[in-house]
Amino acid sequence: SYELSQPLSVSVALGQTARISCGGDNIGSKHVHWYQQRPGQALVLVLYRGVHRPSGIPERFSGSNSGNTATMTISTAQAGDEADYYCQVWDSSTAVFGTGTKVTVL
Amino acid sequence: QIQLVESGGGVVQPGTSLRLSCAGSGFIFSNFGLHWVRQAPGKGLEWVAVIWSDGSDKYYADSVKGRFTISRDNSKNMLFLQMTGLRGDDTAVYYCARSEYCGGGVCSDFDWWGPGTLVSVSS
Repeated sequence: SYELSQPLSVSVALGQTARISCGGDNIGSKHVHWYQQRPGQALVLVLYRGVHRPSGIPERFSGSNSGNTATMTISTAQAGDEADYYCQVWDSSTAVFGTGTKVTVL
Repeated sequence: QIQLVESGGGVVQPGTSLRLSCAGSGFIFSNFGLHWVRQAPGKGLEWVAVIWSDGSDKYYADSVKGRFTISRDNSKNMLFLQMTGLRGDDTAVYYCARSEYCGGGVCSDFDWWGPGTLVSVSS
């Protein structure tokens, strides 16, 4: 079965840039979506098809996808960006989520 | 505004059954594919099942295939998950989520999620 791997945690200083990777076999050929999960809040879509931001998501969130790695970048990190982040793709009629990354803003 | 609200969770014994519901509002329910996604305590997200907008197609995770059944009633804007043969590793918060497009064995992103309902399987 298809697997997506993410770093367990990423720390970023306030105002700096955080990068979260999502590794999977030839993931560059797939549409990757990213979700944010803040404690006690509903999950939120932050990027779809790798690079597109839904309405209301700040421009600070951006993404790329090539080869075996997709990456979401949070620029000028703010305290409110502290959350768990998950990547997701479809493979063989199954939705697959990454292992999740906890982002801590210092 | 768009809402997805799950209900039906609770504490059940292993081997028993439970039916979850998800009520949708604020959008054209029958236009969207709908999913169940779960999250065990302290763990990551696990996709469970999807049903196409018109109910014509359904797909399941291997971990629940044969035990769980997804269904919907577009006349009532309701999504369901019938769970049978429950096991301890089914303990999780269960979320419903929607996709604008499903077809050809894939769906678009999950653009809206409910707050979840907790299912605890324990003797």
